[in-house]
Amino acid sequence: SYVLTQPPSVSVAPGKTATITCGGNNIGSKSVHWYLQKPGQAPLLVMFYDDDRPSGIPERFSGSNSGNTATLTISRVEAGDEADYYCQVWDRNSFHYVFGTGTRVTVL
Amino acid sequence: EVQLMESGGGLVKPGGSLRLSCAASGFTFSSFSMSWVRQTPGKGLEWVASISSSSRYTYYADSMKGQITISRDNAKNSLFLQMNSLRAEDTAVYHCARGFGGNSPGGMDVWGKGTTVTVSS
Repeated sequence: SYVLTQPPSVSVAPGKTATITCGGNNIGSKSVHWYLQKPGQAPLLVMFYDDDRPSGIPERFSGSNSGNTATLTISRVEAGDEADYYCQVWDRNSFHYVFGTGTRVTVL
Repeated sequence: EVQLMESGGGLVKPGGSLRLSCAASGFTFSSFSMSWVRQTPGKGLEWVASISSSSRYTYYADSMKGQITISRDNAKNSLFLQMNSLRAEDTAVYHCARGFGGNSPGGMDVWGKGTTVTVSS
């Protein structure tokens, strides 16, 4: 089955840039979507089709996808960005949705 | 307002069954695929099952295949998950989510807050 690997945690100072990676075999050939989840809340879509932002998501959020790594970048990090972040793809070989292992972003 | 609201969770003994429901509002339910995603305590998101807009296609995670059935009633704007032979490891918050991507599944753009399933004797 297809596996997506994320770093367990990323720490970043306010105002700096957070980079969250999502590794998968030839993930560049798939469409990657990203979600954030705060404690006790439902997941929220923050990036879709690699680099598109849903309405209401700040321009500080950007995405890219190439080779074996997809990346979600949060510029000018704010305290409110602290959350768990998950990448996700549709694996057309297995007809399965696959979520990454999740990354906890901590704002120092 | 686009909204999904789950219900039907609760405490169930190992080997027992539960039927989860998800009520949709604020959008044309029959035009979207729907999914169930669960989150075990302290762990990440795990996709459980999905169903196409017309119910023609259903997909199941290997971990629960044979144990669950996803269904929907477009006339009642409702999604269901029948879970049987429940085990302790099925304890989780179960979210329903709206899919996007048309004929080629993409992701999930609307999520419910979830309903908690606890499997314990």
